[in-house]
Amino acid sequence: QSVLTQPPSVSGAPGQRVTISCTGSSSNIGAGYDVHWYQQLPGTAPKLLIYGNSNRPSGVPDRFSGSKSGTSASLAISGLQAEDEADYYCQSYDSSLSVVFGGGTKLTVL
Amino acid sequence: EVQLVESGGGLIQPGGSLRLSCAASGFTVSSNYMSWVRQAPGKGLEWVSVIYSGGSTYYADSVKGRFTISRDNSKNTLYLQMNSLRAEDTAVYYCARLEYSYATGNYFDYWGQGTLVTVSS
Repeated sequence: QSVLTQPPSVSGAPGQRVTISCTGSSSNIGAGYDVHWYQQLPGTAPKLLIYGNSNRPSGVPDRFSGSKSGTSASLAISGLQAEDEADYYCQSYDSSLSVVFGGGTKLTVL
Repeated sequence: EVQLVESGGGLIQPGGSLRLSCAASGFTVSSNYMSWVRQAPGKGLEWVSVIYSGGSTYYADSVKGRFTISRDNSKNTLYLQMNSLRAEDTAVYYCARLEYSYATGNYFDYWGQGTLVTVSS
């Protein structure tokens, strides 16, 4: 049972827009801690996708965007492409002094 | 260019010990926050431990008292000593640099390729 809750799977057709939610509580996201997102392609290490709720590292396409409100955050992917098929994880910090992750969401491009 | 290369994984019997290494290049381990994150087969990411630049260490409850994180500044290398290993410790172990910013929080900006630890008799 992960501290942050994500849907197990989402799907969309090429060109469409999908969103992945990440729900926390008053001890993590709701406490004001930032949310970060990672993309994990099959058989590879996670890669930073979004940091500080809505910032993209250099090299990440602007098709990826993040937002945060209250005890939740969202990752949006627009103009879906076949290479976006991957697992996506949200991450934050908890008042128990630990890093916390979501359970991960598998994105399928139809 | 920043690089993290893990080693030391393998097959170990329950109750055994293993030490993982993470050789860093392109930055100084001792000046950064460094962490271990693991991923059990087919499962999600789980934070394991962190060592701050000042030397303070913290652990997930699941490994507290059994795992020890450390670093060798002369070798620019991070370690994870794992004792009293259990079947549920089976996972790919990643080392990662934990970036901290007051404005944007704590996040992992660089990851190694991971090393597989299998605990089984």
